[in-house]
Amino acid sequence: SSELTQDPAVSVALGQTVRITCQGDILRTYYPNWYQQKPGRAPILVIFRNYNRPSGIPDRFSGSSSGTTASLTITGAQAEDEATYYCSSRDIGAPVVFGGGTKLTVL
Amino acid sequence: QVQLQESGPGLVKPSQTLSLTCAVSGTSINSADYYWTWIRQQPGKALELIGNIHYSGKTFYHPSLKSRLTISLDTSKNQFSLKLTSVTAADTAMYFCARGAGPDRFAYWGPGTLVTVSS
Repeated sequence: SSELTQDPAVSVALGQTVRITCQGDILRTYYPNWYQQKPGRAPILVIFRNYNRPSGIPDRFSGSSSGTTASLTITGAQAEDEATYYCSSRDIGAPVVFGGGTKLTVL
Repeated sequence: QVQLQESGPGLVKPSQTLSLTCAVSGTSINSADYYWTWIRQQPGKALELIGNIHYSGKTFYHPSLKSRLTISLDTSKNQFSLKLTSVTAADTAMYFCARGAGPDRFAYWGPGTLVTVSS
């Protein structure tokens, strides 16, 4: 199965822009999705199929992908954005593979 | 409004069988559009796909769990279930059910249920 690699932790000053990245060869083939998870809660889908936002997700969340790297960008990070973010994509021979997660701290 | 809710025992003894059910409302599990999925998260770890089932009966099981895992549908109750046999402490995790579209896109999740394997 494929692997998706994320930085374990990232921090951003309140109101600033942060980019969270996800690397994996499978991203050349399949679009990434992104989830936000707060402690003790189920994940929330924030970006699907590379750059699409589900209804109700603020437009400060955006996604992009190029080659083997996908990015989730939060423009103007808010305190409530502090969470762990997971990338995922379809995989060859499996429905989905998840990244290891990036814990975002908003300073 | 789509809702999923996991249920099952929170404590299972080693070597026994873990059984969970996911009750689905607001959407039919008979839909060809979705894959009914189990995902778990061991303490402090990342999300891990356990497996899924389609209304056609087709299943996917994670290779590392395949020999111990059964996922099934109950269309009469609009729910799906997971059975994991011969559990060990390594199966201690938060277990989530989710509706998969694609089948890799999960817009709807249950709140999760914590299962501890301990004697």
